[in-house]
Amino acid sequence: SQQGEEDPQALSIQEGENATMNCSYKTSINNLQWYRQNSGRGLVHLILIRSNEREKHSGRLRVTLDTSKKSSSLLITASRAADTASYFCATAAGGGNKLTFGTGTQLKVEL
Amino acid sequence: DARVTQTPRHKVTEMGQEVTMRCQPILGHNTVFWYRQTMMQGLELLAYFRNRAPLDDSGMPKDRFSAEMPDATLATLKIQPSEPRDSAVYFCASGLPAGTGGNEQFFGPGTRLTVL
Repeated sequence: SQQGEEDPQALSIQEGENATMNCSYKTSINNLQWYRQNSGRGLVHLILIRSNEREKHSGRLRVTLDTSKKSSSLLITASRAADTASYFCATAAGGGNKLTFGTGTQLKVEL
Repeated sequence: DARVTQTPRHKVTEMGQEVTMRCQPILGHNTVFWYRQTMMQGLELLAYFRNRAPLDDSGMPKDRFSAEMPDATLATLKIQPSEPRDSAVYFCASGLPAGTGGNEQFFGPGTRLTVL
């Protein structure tokens, strides 16, 4: 099964609203990353949060990490139609480069 | 603008044929990953190389799939013989070693494979 499970599976909002996606994982991690995938494209790295960090910001993105609950959330503020995409969390554990990806949240931002 | 490139972008073939997918990682990246993405299974890691050596190919069906890195600028994924259930989008990704600041992965555009 996937290490990361995103919730919700699909989310539809109006432009200008905030979008929140959640990710739960099962084992201890070194870091957690969020990626975006536009339809028909490869994944694009958005943000990385280390296990000793609790919150991180990048532009309109805010990521939180709660290692006690083994969960993370991605908040996109003031969403735009161009934010329409699938969003995946990925966890890194151990000393290697391997990432385990979640099942993704499909976000649709409507005009 | 450094990016991962993959060829071909689309491939339609008949069952039983050999398929070869190629990937050029970003110059200087020494870790390379092959993933398969389907609606049913999501994103699955097939194989993982560091410094051209295979570190993990446990996600790959060994009887028909093979992955190699002939040199630092080329990674290949072969399927022989191909089957309809291999239809998927295959992504290559590259990255820097863990501990160099982060282990973000940079993805190519993918090869969309259809096996008839």
